[in-house]
Amino acid sequence: DSGVTQTPKHLITATGQRVTLRCSPRSGDLSVYWYQQSLDQGLQFLIQYYNGEERAKGNILERFSAQQFPDLHSELNLSSLELGDSALYFCASSPRIAGITDTQYFGPGTRLTVL
Amino acid sequence: GNSVTQMEGPVTLSEEAFLTINCTYTATGYPSLFWYVQYPGEGLQLLLKATKADDKGSNKGFEATYRKETTSFHLEKGSVQVSDSAVYFCALTQTGANNLFFGTGTRLTVIP
Repeated sequence: DSGVTQTPKHLITATGQRVTLRCSPRSGDLSVYWYQQSLDQGLQFLIQYYNGEERAKGNILERFSAQQFPDLHSELNLSSLELGDSALYFCASSPRIAGITDTQYFGPGTRLTVL
Repeated sequence: GNSVTQMEGPVTLSEEAFLTINCTYTATGYPSLFWYVQYPGEGLQLLLKATKADDKGSNKGFEATYRKETTSFHLEKGSVQVSDSAVYFCALTQTGANNLFFGTGTRLTVIP
């Protein structure tokens, strides 16, 4: 158990809908990262937050957004969903913003299926 | 830009066989290098890491050495077990950042 929790575990929805994925980082970790794992794109970094502020952006679509709240949990919002958004979405956390020796601890993931 | 290329799978080995999974990278500056493992139905776990050239990361019998001259970080284990069956990802972080760039993953199956 990494200490990172994600809810829900599975989500099934229809095209055009909007969903919210939730992540609680390990106790004391200030950085949260979101990654998408899909069959065609592999594992891709989406976005990073540190202590409530956006710090780095990767291959995140404009239809997707995220935020980190004062209690440090984070939410990833996916809107106008398409079939191709079906994937496993991982959250990870680490103690600092860009410590190169920091380990990222991954949650179990949320599997999103868009029908 | 940053990229990680790792050996295509799947790889099937008999128990106690020697394992090598190749990984090469492209990055500017001095990246840190990682191997993550994903067991069936689970999230990713850090297996080992190396933060500078010639460093050797090791854990659970697995080893990898950061070779700057060949831009490689190959994963090795002398004697695999059935419980090592998983998907292995090579990854890097760029200097000054902490987001991970992953390879495509290599699925390892170890048969008794």
